[in-house]
Amino acid sequence: DSGVTQTPKHLITATGQRVTLRCSPRSGDLSVYWYQQSLDQGLQFLIQYYNGEERAKGNILERFSAQQFPDLHSELNLSSLELGDSALYFCASSRIPGGSNEKLFFGSGTQLSVL
Amino acid sequence: DQQVKQNSPSLSVQEGRISILNCDYTNSMFDYFLWYKKYPAEGPTFLISISSIKDKNEDGRFTVFLNKSAKHLSLHIVPSQPGDSAVYFCAARAQTGANNLFFGTGTRLTVIP
Repeated sequence: DSGVTQTPKHLITATGQRVTLRCSPRSGDLSVYWYQQSLDQGLQFLIQYYNGEERAKGNILERFSAQQFPDLHSELNLSSLELGDSALYFCASSRIPGGSNEKLFFGSGTQLSVL
Repeated sequence: DQQVKQNSPSLSVQEGRISILNCDYTNSMFDYFLWYKKYPAEGPTFLISISSIKDKNEDGRFTVFLNKSAKHLSLHIVPSQPGDSAVYFCAARAQTGANNLFFGTGTRLTVIP
């Protein structure tokens, strides 16, 4: 158990809908990362937050947004969903945002299926 | 643009033999490399890492080799065990101050008893 909690584990929805994925980082971790893994693809970095502030942005679509709350949990909001958004979404956390060889701890992911 | 590449989607090895998983990268700004292991229905878990100032790091049965001139790293597992069967992801971090990782597409290792 990595200590990173993601809910829900599975989500099935229709095109055009909006969903929210939730992540609770490990106790003491201030930084949260979101990754997307599509079929046969590596994990694609979406966005990073540190202590409530956006720290780095990757290949995140404008239809997607995220935030980190004062209690450090994070939510990833996906709107106007398309079939191609079906993927496994991982959240990871670390103690600090960067500048050291700090490894990331991953949750077990949310499997999103857009029908 | 895939900056970290794992060109072998799968690898099968007999139990007790050596498993060698390969990874290539294109970004010369990468300074820290990691291997993650992923079992079905679980998130990736950290396995071993190496800084760009080293060319080898060993942890028990796992050794990572880094060849900076070739922009290539490899993970050696000796001896391979059936419990090592999983998907292995190579990842790299750039010298940007952010801690986000760039991942390869993974190699599925199957260790045959």
